[in-house]
Amino acid sequence: DAKTTQPNSMESNEEEPVHLPCNHSTISGTDYIHWYRQLPSQGPEYVIHGLTSNVNNRMASLAIAEDRKSSTLILHRATLRDAAVYYCILRGGGAQKLVFGQGTRLTINP
Amino acid sequence: DADVTQTPRNRITKTGKRIMLECSQTKGHDRMYWYRQDPGLGLRLIYYSFDVKDINKGEISDGYSVSRQAQAKFSLSLESAIPNQTALYFCATSDRLYYQPQHFGDGTRLSIL
Repeated sequence: DAKTTQPNSMESNEEEPVHLPCNHSTISGTDYIHWYRQLPSQGPEYVIHGLTSNVNNRMASLAIAEDRKSSTLILHRATLRDAAVYYCILRGGGAQKLVFGQGTRLTINP
Repeated sequence: DADVTQTPRNRITKTGKRIMLECSQTKGHDRMYWYRQDPGLGLRLIYYSFDVKDINKGEISDGYSVSRQAQAKFSLSLESAIPNQTALYFCATSDRLYYQPQHFGDGTRLSIL
């Protein structure tokens, strides 16, 4: 499985944008970039995924570097409910499991 | 109602007991998965199923068995529970295409004394 690297923790303030980085220098051409988050005492929650182009949905935006070796999850206006561990995961063909690394623990200050 | 429902949410039992964790989904997905999560660690895949007749071992299947009773139901059994199987267990579902996301239940917290 191709490896991703994320900061262990980040902190932001409520109602401000948050940019969560992820490096994946060994990504292959068919790997999709997935983001999940896990709130305390809950199962992982799918956030967004993309291949090459930037993606937007109701939860977040995903900005993918032109060389695809890094990506950034953008929460446009953080709320307290966004405090969670965020995981950046590469999903390639034939890979049945999701490989969750340590992720980034995001703290949101009121 | 949740799309992926796990029962029970919490269970405490004794070493040697047989335990069954159940998962049902209303998403209409073919693929279902069982993971376990230990404190401070990521999720590890126990078993996965592509459809009712296709069940596969994951990376840590020893000590576990599964049953896919219907497209919507996937059960995990611990035949003879041991303390190091104490963990959070998650069921997930996904559509057929490999890049489609997995959708998780809220988990079962299992403690084996």
